[in-house]
Amino acid sequence: ETGVTQSPTHLIKTRGQQVTLRCSSQSGHNTVSWYQQALGQGPQFIFQYYREEENGRGNFPPRFSGLQFPNYSSELNVNALELDDSALYLCASSLGASGTGTDTQYFGPGTRLTVL
Amino acid sequence: AQSVAQPEDQVNVAEGNPLTVKCTYSVSGNPYLFWYVQYPNRGLQFLLKYITGDNLVKGSYGFEAEFNKSQTSFHLKKPSALVSDSALYFCAVRDGEAAGNKLTFGGGTRVLVKP
Repeated sequence: ETGVTQSPTHLIKTRGQQVTLRCSSQSGHNTVSWYQQALGQGPQFIFQYYREEENGRGNFPPRFSGLQFPNYSSELNVNALELDDSALYLCASSLGASGTGTDTQYFGPGTRLTVL
Repeated sequence: AQSVAQPEDQVNVAEGNPLTVKCTYSVSGNPYLFWYVQYPNRGLQFLLKYITGDNLVKGSYGFEAEFNKSQTSFHLKKPSALVSDSALYFCAVRDGEAAGNKLTFGGGTRVLVKP
């Protein structure tokens, strides 16, 4: 196991609701990335946080937002949920967004979100 | 822009036979390449990465991958497959000259190792 934890494991919401997913980084890691993995697809990059600042964003609308805390844990917030938001949400931590990109990202087990 | 293609949705192999999972990539700058494996209802587990240096990279659980710059490929290999290797495998790339640490993943290849 990687030491990256996510909560909750599963979540069921209805359209229009808001959801918050949580992630605790591996010890010593100061960078967190979030990915969305729809059924049967590869993970898609949502955004990354480095030392509490957003450090890159994928093609996701503004209703996807995040936070990183001083202890480097992180939250992913999704507002106005849509049916297509149903997916496995993965959090990954790495040692540092030094810009070299050589750091390995270590993934948590994910949160399975179902939107009805 | 960066992209990854995994041309095979599924690979079937008999236990003890060699396993190859194909991956090709496209980046503007230098490629940083990664392989991950995903078991059912689990997150992604890191297998190996290529950053620079020797084109043959050795990783966890007996896996290795060969970087081929001219063919823009990074195929994953294992000399002798085990039934426990049955899982979903993802290749990922990062553009070494782009800001941030975004990984772009392929669509995945399901490996089925039969006894």
